[in-house]
Amino acid sequence: GENVEQHPSTLSVQEGDSAVIKCTYSDSASNYFPWYKQELGKRPQLIIDIRSNVGEKKDQRIAVTLNKTAKHFSLHITETQPEDSAVYFCAASIHTGNQFYFGTGTSLTVIP
Amino acid sequence: GAVVSQHPSRVICKSGTSVKIECRSLDFQATTMFWYRQFPKQSLMLMATSNEGSKATYEQGVEKDKFLINHASLTLSTLTVTSAHPEDSSFYICSARTYTDTQYFGPGTRLTVL
Repeated sequence: GENVEQHPSTLSVQEGDSAVIKCTYSDSASNYFPWYKQELGKRPQLIIDIRSNVGEKKDQRIAVTLNKTAKHFSLHITETQPEDSAVYFCAASIHTGNQFYFGTGTSLTVIP
Repeated sequence: GAVVSQHPSRVICKSGTSVKIECRSLDFQATTMFWYRQFPKQSLMLMATSNEGSKATYEQGVEKDKFLINHASLTLSTLTVTSAHPEDSSFYICSARTYTDTQYFGPGTRLTVL
């Protein structure tokens, strides 16, 4: 089955700096890669996703890059703000498949 | 975005009793729903995948007779924790997948077994 690894487990940045979280996956058949943000006590919220036919996707301060050959994808947050502090999860799945696996999570703290 | 509800949000029960958790997609039809378990400060652990009208697919190590899943319609899936014990205490979250693969999560259910 799919194995998704995520690094780092914790990340602290100064407000205004950039944050990068990286994930690797093992199943070359995976073709859908979402990122979720989970604030304490709340449900995970989708913040951005990318499919295997695209190498990069950007939405305002958030961007995701995908390297299919190396089987890794990354989340980039620029101009970080205190409200970006949360746990971020990457995931990998196969389109219309029943496998959907999450990384171990990254606890991001943005220091004002 | 799509809305997924989950009920109850919090439940406390005695050891040996059964607890049912409902997951509903409110404004879309979900062909697939997922059930996760989350321990404090840990990731989401996939327990099972549920497709409408068919038996759920359980992940390795998850007891299907203990965690009964029913997906009766395109908008409702239920998870029943049978004969609950203290080690079953956890945060259970469901999600529903749209036809574009996007998963929307419910708010979760905090189960405490005394």
